[in-house]
Order: sequence, then C-alpha cells, then structure tokens
Amino acid sequence: DQQVKQNSPSLSVQEGRISILNCDYTNSMFDYFLWYKKYPAEGPTFLISISSIKDKNEDGRFTVFLNKSAKHLSLHIVPSQPGDSAVYFCAAKGGANSKLTFGKGITLSVRP
Amino acid sequence: EPEVTQTPSHQVTQMGQEVILRCVPISNHLYFYWYRQILGQKVEFLVSFYNNEISEKSEIFDDQFSVERPDGSNFTLKIRSTKLEDSAMYFCASSPDNNQPQHFGDGTRLSIL
Repeated sequence: DQQVKQNSPSLSVQEGRISILNCDYTNSMFDYFLWYKKYPAEGPTFLISISSIKDKNEDGRFTVFLNKSAKHLSLHIVPSQPGDSAVYFCAAKGGANSKLTFGKGITLSVRP
Repeated sequence: EPEVTQTPSHQVTQMGQEVILRCVPISNHLYFYWYRQILGQKVEFLVSFYNNEISEKSEIFDDQFSVERPDGSNFTLKIRSTKLEDSAMYFCASSPDNNQPQHFGDGTRLSIL
C-alpha cells in the first residue's frame, strides 16, 4: 500500500536551522492530513494537521504546507532543536472514512 | 494532558492462544481505533469503533479479531488464536469525532512464540 509515501528515510539538520520533511500521496480522495512524531518505545504523538481546503497551517515552530495539485505536503520545523530528533510520520484520511493511512516515516536527527 | 493508556506494555503468548489487549481511551472521546505496526513496516489500520459498533475495518481484521467496549472506560482488542505473524506493536487511539486528530497510546508489544 503506497498511497502515502515518505521517500527519504532520514534527515540530519543542524540545531537552529530549518527541517523540511516531505510527503507525497496518490489517493485523490484524501482530504485531511496529519503529522505525527514518534520517540522510541512511545506511541505516535499528534503534531499538526491540515484540511484540503487550506494550503498552510502553522502552530508555533511547526508549519505544514499542502500542494493539492502536486499531491504533496511538507512539514517545516524552524528553528530545529535537538529534542525534535524523532521519527516523523505523515498520515492521511479521506471523507467519511475513519482510517488513517500512514507513510513509512522519516528519522530526523538534529545535531547540537 | 489526558492520554490514551494501554496495558500491558509487552505481552508474550504461545501460538494458538487467545490474547486480549486493553486500552483506556481519552474520557470524552467517542471514536476508538486499533492499529498495528509490524517491525520495519508501516503503521496499519485495523478497526474503528463508534457508538458500540465497528464503523470501519481493514482486510487484516478477520474473524480472529474482535473488539469490545465492556464498560464506560475500556476498549479491548481480542485475537482468538494467535499466529506468529500477529507479532507486532498494537496501538490504540481515540478521537472526539471522526474529523479530529487521533491520539495514540504507547502501544502493546505482542510477541507470539
């Protein structure tokens, strides 16, 4: 099931710089997108979401951008902090369906 | 901040045995979910539950699986006759409604021997 793709398995960024995590999707029925952060031995923690009626949503250091025509979304973290080091999952759902479809995740390392 | 709690954190079971994984969703949430993540693979949806019935299930959720809300706080996943391939992290989640973010517990690691 490749409906949500996170093609880069890892990203390393210097503390204070911007982290940009990318996600692509193929299912045009998806209309709600979420980013989750996961530390080892913990469950996914909700970070930020965006509805398909918007192209940007911002919450503190986190901004999600949605490009519907390209079926692409990205998560920007600025400034990046060492505590941001974790696995980040992109997830999507569509319409009345309740299931989330997840990407494989990307491991972000923020270097002090 | 309210959170979803799951017990046990690790369950080891012999193949063919029944196992029950337990979850306490966030108290004012109405939608409940189970997901699983096999080692090295994606998080996969199993089932969603609303108003005391299954609202959606995946092809993984076959007759070996069942869910129940036995009282006002617990939400359980039962696997009737476990197989080796059921070994995975099982995550419970809940949300206030179908259009709000789902909040996840820390998971139960199920190991089938």
